[in-house]
Amino acid sequence: EAGVAQSPRYKIIEKRQSVAFWCNPISGHATLYWYQQILGQGPKLLIQFQNNGVVDDSQLPKDRFSAERLKGVDSTLKIQPAKLEDSAVYLCASSFGKGKNTEAFFGQGTRLTVV
Amino acid sequence: AQSVAQPEDQVNVAEGNPLTVKCTYSVSGNPYLFWYVQYPNRGLQFLLKYITGDNLVKGSYGFEAEFNKSQTSFHLKKPSALVSDSALYFCAVRDPLNYGGSQGNLIFGKGTKLSVKP
Repeated sequence: EAGVAQSPRYKIIEKRQSVAFWCNPISGHATLYWYQQILGQGPKLLIQFQNNGVVDDSQLPKDRFSAERLKGVDSTLKIQPAKLEDSAVYLCASSFGKGKNTEAFFGQGTRLTVV
Repeated sequence: AQSVAQPEDQVNVAEGNPLTVKCTYSVSGNPYLFWYVQYPNRGLQFLLKYITGDNLVKGSYGFEAEFNKSQTSFHLKKPSALVSDSALYFCAVRDPLNYGGSQGNLIFGKGTKLSVKP
């Protein structure tokens, strides 16, 4: 079974530029998450989708971050404009169904460096 | 508010010795608990979970974890460590009473670096 795919693996941009990340979840997984992992910290949820609808974006900095999941499969996360503090690894994860006891499967992540 | 604490930044063990990576949690209801492992330049890999039932949960790669409700702990253990177990380990909790109708957010600890020396 193919895992969660993310691209690009690495990205370096200057502050105030924009950047987009792409995620393809495991086939059949209705729930998709974007997490931000700052160096030395655990992942922090940015946004959670159930199919193509947002169910939790309470921690998404909406003035600069946006995400969509058109057609309920692939997802993109965008930052515009980027700040230095956005330097982190952005992890996409997916899980099957709506069960609270369901584990999430993670992609390899995109390492973003803002200079 | 729900939270997870991993009190050790790093754990060092010799190959062949038992290992323990500590995790404590704070939730308002009965917790759903998870352990993930992260190898360098890799995503998080699921190891095991506790939902209900037996307090000792067995997972991947010979790892197990013990749920202790009175101590609000979920420590990760392995009887005999391997050098290849060296990685970053994350404990996570999902509070079933605090998910607002959604599946519920996984709250992660800050991680513990496990170093196994030959």
